[in-house]
Amino acid sequence: RKEVEQDPGPFNVPEGATVAFNCTYSNSASQSFFWYRQDCRKEPKLLMSVYSSGNEDGRFTAQLNRASQYISLLIRDSKLSDSATYLCVVHYTGTASKLTFGTGTRLQVTL
Amino acid sequence: SQTIHQWPATLVQPVGSPLSLECTVEGTSNPNLYWYRQAAGRGLQLLFYSVGIGQISSEVPQNLSASRPQDRQFILSSKKLLLSDSGFYLCAWRNKGGFQPQHFGDGTRLSIL
Repeated sequence: RKEVEQDPGPFNVPEGATVAFNCTYSNSASQSFFWYRQDCRKEPKLLMSVYSSGNEDGRFTAQLNRASQYISLLIRDSKLSDSATYLCVVHYTGTASKLTFGTGTRLQVTL
Repeated sequence: SQTIHQWPATLVQPVGSPLSLECTVEGTSNPNLYWYRQAAGRGLQLLFYSVGIGQISSEVPQNLSASRPQDRQFILSSKKLLLSDSGFYLCAWRNKGGFQPQHFGDGTRLSIL
């Protein structure tokens, strides 16, 4: 089983739609969690950290479920500019120096 | 604020030629530094990481090597490139401690002919 698993998609949604991605992780000793966004042929960029109580940043909401070992990202009112690949990232306490990246979920927002 | 510089942006090299990619970070000290490779349409593959000057950890066996001659400088090298070395190379930095995200450079797109 992969350490971090994501549905590769693509998720094709119309503008204005709400879309949610899930990401599961295998190591219960995971300490911190992030969502990154990667545009085609560009570097990944931090979208948001994921806090235990859940957190929101504008149209984006991140949730953490430690019991079921998954994190989620909800995007409301999708924009064309949200089209990208979204990477789930996990930091394990036993690997102090390394973050583990999922392979990403591709989102395509259409008119 | 912290910034990361990675160069060159694109590189075309013949098989068997040497390689040197450089990455520098500004605005922070004693960061963790990382080199990743991403093949087209694939996920990130961690190649090397460093927690300090002269300290290099290798994640996968390959014909690449890394060095950290200064606190905020990370270099990726090869003596003889293979066709399979083509890809998108990304340098990243991260402050030490938990709950710290990673920040990436703009990347180098390497094509081997």
